[in-house]
Amino acid sequence: KQEVTQIPAALSVPEGENLVLNCSFTDSAIYNLQWFRQDPGKGLTSLLLIQSSQREQTSGRLNASLDKSSGRSTLYIAASQPGDSATYLCAVSDSSYKLIFGSGTRLLVRP
Amino acid sequence: NAGVTQTPKFRILKIGQSMTLQCTQDMNHNYMYWYRQDPGMGLKLIYYSVGAGITDKGEVPNGYNVSRSTTEDFPLRLELAAPSQTSVYFCASSATSTGAYEQYFGPGTRLTVT
Repeated sequence: KQEVTQIPAALSVPEGENLVLNCSFTDSAIYNLQWFRQDPGKGLTSLLLIQSSQREQTSGRLNASLDKSSGRSTLYIAASQPGDSATYLCAVSDSSYKLIFGSGTRLLVRP
Repeated sequence: NAGVTQTPKFRILKIGQSMTLQCTQDMNHNYMYWYRQDPGMGLKLIYYSVGAGITDKGEVPNGYNVSRSTTEDFPLRLELAAPSQTSVYFCASSATSTGAYEQYFGPGTRLTVT
């Protein structure tokens, strides 16, 4: 059974720092991996999607990498800002396209 | 495009009551999903559908029912509500045409059962 783990569960950093969020999964037979952002009391916003044949995706200050063989993905946020404060969720899908989610990393960027 | 819309935003039910959570998408996506999110946790799949008339169970289907009569709508029915069903419910959809199956989420319905 696929399990997704996100470490750390919470992170507090000063504004301007570069930071890395980690996601690991137990079964490397994935179809794709998505990173989402969730603000308190809100829905999920898709940040990046990496298909199984890809190694990384970039969007602005965000870069996500995927290493299927080791069951790991990282989300790199450059020059963090207070507006980046949110919960970041990682999810993987298998061939049936259903997503299995991690529990998320709560990020606080202090001014 | 409005994307994925859900109604209601909030609801309080008494134990044993029933209700239907509505979900509509206007992106012509074939695939639709229902997830629940308990406090401090990730999302868990309740039911999903790969097209009109086709539905299947996810990880936590007990206590719920779904139907998919059109491409746009995917309602979730709660029968005999229980406190364990207190959660936030998210509907999502994805396209098959791109091959990526990126999922897009609605804003959620916050349900409390007392």
